[in-house]
Amino acid sequence: EVQLVESGGGLVQPGGSLRLSCAASGFTFSSYWMSWVRQAPGKGLEWVANINQGGTEKYHVDSVKGRFTISRDNAKNSLYLQMNSLRAEDTAVYYCGRHGTRSCDYWGQGTLVTVSS
Amino acid sequence: DVVMTQSPLSLPVTLGQPASISCRSSQSLIYSDGNTYLSWFQQRPGQSPRRLIYKVSNRDSGVPDRFSGSGSGTDFTLKISRVEAEDVGVYYCMQGTYWPWTFGQGTKVEIK
Repeated sequence: EVQLVESGGGLVQPGGSLRLSCAASGFTFSSYWMSWVRQAPGKGLEWVANINQGGTEKYHVDSVKGRFTISRDNAKNSLYLQMNSLRAEDTAVYYCGRHGTRSCDYWGQGTLVTVSS
Repeated sequence: DVVMTQSPLSLPVTLGQPASISCRSSQSLIYSDGNTYLSWFQQRPGQSPRRLIYKVSNRDSGVPDRFSGSGSGTDFTLKISRVEAEDVGVYYCMQGTYWPWTFGQGTKVEIK
């Protein structure tokens, strides 16, 4: 059974940093592109970043470029999102997702990031 | 960025009746490989999104056959043939043809 479990969310002050993690199991992690998608409270979904199987190709949405970095450790079956210079508008539930046919076929349960003073 | 526009944004439906959600993209979603990467997701209250449909009309494993997707180019539709109580939630279309991948605003399906 495919499982994706996010962790690392919490309350952080504006300008602060957080590192989100996503532990994957039930599939060959190193064979799949992976993504982070976020959802602000009561709002819709926004794609944040994608990373290829080897971690050599990465894409970040413009609103996080230069502040967030997606990465992975295939030996640990883990996906990461390093978030720096956090802003109030980054407050959201962050989901990790496994790619399938240029979208996500499996999603985690999400981790809440709150940016507030 | 490709803008995805859904309608309606709110859809009250009667149990057992059909429902239809429209999604339009600001440009054609035909990818260089000839495929059209339009997906539909369901998000039940308090849950993570779940993919229902990929590449316009392909149902994911375990998705009831009352859900169907259709369309081409820039116009797409998700249909529920007979709405059940478990179908309540928000439905999103999403394009995976161009980076950044983008979602529609969401359509809230509720029971009348």
